[in-house]
Amino acid sequence: QVQLVQSGAEVKKPGASVKVSCKASGYTFTSYYMHWVRQAPGQGLEWMGIINPNGGSTSYAQKLQGRVSLTRDTSTSTVYMELSSLRSEDTAVYYCARGVMVRGVMSWFDPWGQGTLVTVSS
Amino acid sequence: DIQMTQSPSSLSASVGDRVTITCRASQSISSYLNWYQQKPGKAPKLLIYAASSLQSGVPSRFSGSGSGTDFTLTISSLQPEDFATYYCQQNYITPYTFGQGTKLEIK
Repeated sequence: QVQLVQSGAEVKKPGASVKVSCKASGYTFTSYYMHWVRQAPGQGLEWMGIINPNGGSTSYAQKLQGRVSLTRDTSTSTVYMELSSLRSEDTAVYYCARGVMVRGVMSWFDPWGQGTLVTVSS
Repeated sequence: DIQMTQSPSSLSASVGDRVTITCRASQSISSYLNWYQQKPGKAPKLLIYAASSLQSGVPSRFSGSGSGTDFTLTISSLQPEDFATYYCQQNYITPYTFGQGTKLEIK
């Protein structure tokens, strides 16, 4: 079955960087986009960006432009999200989610990874 | 950015009730609207895509409707496992924004 498995929780100091992985299985990795979404404690969902594993092209939320980087390793079917210059407001659960394209249009997100808690604290 | 506004933000209901959640977009998004269910400590789960299509494996008591700027998610007869938070999301244009969520609680 289609599955996304993310790396474990991280604790970082302000100003540091964090890199979270998302390993895909059960489907052709390069045939689907991958999104990243985060959720601060007790808050809603915020879309961060998207990567096309077939070629590596990316698009990021303007709010995070310059601090977020999405990369992929096709040999291991893994996507990475790196966030730099961390601040306390970046404390959140970070999710990867497979993006389904229908007739060339980005559609729904399914499935989602289990989430990775990143805590930024001095 | 397209703003997605859900109402109500929270809702108390009983098992067996019919419940409707509304989502409004700040501009027309055609039918590019999805609904997700999230339970505490878990990842969101897709329920409805393209405004009204039921995701495989999702019970038929869930339904979605609407187009343009106004959308609804209806649960025809609430079951104990339906108490969760529900989010709408537009996939019309990036950034793919979500509503603020509707928390459905047991009365």
